[in-house]
Amino acid sequence: QVQLQESGPGLVKPSQTLSLTCTVSGGSISSGSYYWSWIRQPAGKGLEWIGRIYTSGSTNYNPSLKSRVTISVDTSKNQFSLKLSSVTAADTAVYYCARVGFREAFDIWGQGTMVTVSS
Amino acid sequence: DIQMTQSPSSLSASVGDRVTITCRASQSISSYLNWYQQKPGKAPKLLIYAASSLQSGVPSRFSGSGSGTDFTLTISSLQPEDFATYYCQQSYSTLPYSFGQGTKLEIK
Repeated sequence: QVQLQESGPGLVKPSQTLSLTCTVSGGSISSGSYYWSWIRQPAGKGLEWIGRIYTSGSTNYNPSLKSRVTISVDTSKNQFSLKLSSVTAADTAVYYCARVGFREAFDIWGQGTMVTVSS
Repeated sequence: DIQMTQSPSSLSASVGDRVTITCRASQSISSYLNWYQQKPGKAPKLLIYAASSLQSGVPSRFSGSGSGTDFTLTISSLQPEDFATYYCQQSYSTLPYSFGQGTKLEIK
């Protein structure tokens, strides 16, 4: 079955760019009509949707982060990626990648990766 | 943006209890409402999609109902493994997707 796995640095300095990759295994990222999303969760808080990408490269972002976010896809590597620029301590969170399934529910999630923004 | 409000924020209950969690949307979202369960240190897990459809593999003691702006998640008979935090999420056509603030279900 399809599984997702996030990877990337666990520590990023303020004002720098956070970069994460989600690797899809057990199936092709291009099969089916799915969007692929990034979601984050600060410690002890709720979930915030960051954005999504279709395998064609079409993207949608949360307006609250839109000026700093870029999501891209590499179908040859079965991966999609997140870049968040000009990070501050407020961007410290667990970052999840997820598949957007039927009726746009997040039906498959990665295990999450903790990213801390600190000098 | 569509705001999602869950109630209560926390809830104490006992094994075997029937529990209901409510989610209200700031505007009509038809049946574009999904429910997730999250345990500490784990990713959320999809329980219910499209307001009332049970995700494959989820026990039948979980059920969802509602449409428009008001929705409920019901657990018919609480099991020890059900103590967790529950989130609703709207997936209506208007982005961004948004989540409720969560309901923490604790053991009484």
